[in-house]
Amino acid sequence: DADVTQTPRNRITKTGKRIMLECSQTKGHDRMYWYRQDPGLGLRLIYYSFDVKDINKGEISDGYSVSRQAQAKFSLSLESAIPNQTALYFCATSDPGGRIPQETQYFGPGTRLLVL
Amino acid sequence: QKEVEQDPGPLSVPEGAIVSLNCTYSNSAFQYFMWYRQYSRKGPELLMYTYSSGNKEDGRFTAQVDKSSKYISLFIRDSQPSDSATYLCAMSARAGGTSYGKLTFGQGTILTVHP
Repeated sequence: DADVTQTPRNRITKTGKRIMLECSQTKGHDRMYWYRQDPGLGLRLIYYSFDVKDINKGEISDGYSVSRQAQAKFSLSLESAIPNQTALYFCATSDPGGRIPQETQYFGPGTRLLVL
Repeated sequence: QKEVEQDPGPLSVPEGAIVSLNCTYSNSAFQYFMWYRQYSRKGPELLMYTYSSGNKEDGRFTAQVDKSSKYISLFIRDSQPSDSATYLCAMSARAGGTSYGKLTFGQGTILTVHP
């Protein structure tokens, strides 16, 4: 089974709709991240959480909100979707106390979102 | 100006070629340098990791960091069709003794190795 899972894998929605993307992990990591990936722009950080009570904005948080329901779950919401939020969304985790370099992040398979 | 610049390519090479992928950066606080590989319809996965300046080799892959020039490279020797993927450089800074854990990514280079 995958260590980091994302649901749904694909989603088509309309402008103005509220949608939620979900991420779950079985790696036991405290730190979780949400990124979006656009062609030619690489991965850009939306929000990150270092534990359940610690949530921080990334470089492109406008139009997004998050919820850390538990150590293993981190959800991303688009309150009112717009077409330029069409992108590939990735969840990632990291372990600050791990032997492997602390900055190593482990990514889920991604959610492909299309906003019409 | 982006903190990390990476030529998006695409780059197409014949099997067996030596591939060179590069990134430049502007933030002198970056100390941890990584290369992630992303296959089509998959999430990125860590390929190579280097701390500060120097070289690191792992099989056919060599990562180089030149902090004085703010330039990092990934070399792939004897490239194979299975190396076809998007390669993303990523960097992280550290303040005091605590890692932020945040990565700044390049745009990614699309590589195709044809038989």
